[in-house]
Amino acid sequence: DAGITQSPRHKVTETGTPVTLRCHQTENHRYMYWYRQDPGHGLRLIHYSYGVKDTDKGEVSDGYSVSRSKTEDFLLTLESATSSQTSVYFCAISARRGTGELFFGEGSRLTVL
Amino acid sequence: QKEVEQNSGPLSVPEGAIASLNCTYSDRGSQSFFWYRQYSGKSPELIMFIYSNGDKEDGRFTAQLNKASQYVSLLIRDSQPSDSATYLCAVNGSSNTGKLIFGQGTTLQVKP
Repeated sequence: DAGITQSPRHKVTETGTPVTLRCHQTENHRYMYWYRQDPGHGLRLIHYSYGVKDTDKGEVSDGYSVSRSKTEDFLLTLESATSSQTSVYFCAISARRGTGELFFGEGSRLTVL
Repeated sequence: QKEVEQNSGPLSVPEGAIASLNCTYSDRGSQSFFWYRQYSGKSPELIMFIYSNGDKEDGRFTAQLNKASQYVSLLIRDSQPSDSATYLCAVNGSSNTGKLIFGQGTTLQVKP
């Protein structure tokens, strides 16, 4: 257990509304990631962070923003949700500094109507 | 566009058999390679990683890497019904930031 919690775990919202997903970790890991998982596409990286206030884009970052004001929290925001952002969102931490040895949170299922 | 390709399956094997899962990748500069297992409705969990050419064994699992041919494979010996899951291959590029490129996953079914 890498001490990762995601909230909310399930959310239904309407097109055009803002949504924020939270990832909280308790073990002071530097690297954190947001992925989305969709049928036929596998897991795709949205954004990642390599420290407080240090973030960078992944392969599917359009329509998403992130913030990391504290080591333990990594927030993913959809400024104006669209139906194409209906997905399962996973937060992950890197167990060893910047390697691909990731531990994932339980996921947040978002439905945009 | 860096890609990781897997056969989506399902791959069906009888209990006790060897399951062989394969993955190819496009970025020749990739440095490290990972296999994650994902049960239905659950989050992915890391089961193997390999950084050097050759084989790496951990219990019933063996990861094989061939950088020249740009493929990585996972063998599961003595397959059990509890091994039934989707197996995700992931590749870390040359930047080694943990920014993984995942394949679509192969669904494995182990039949009693």
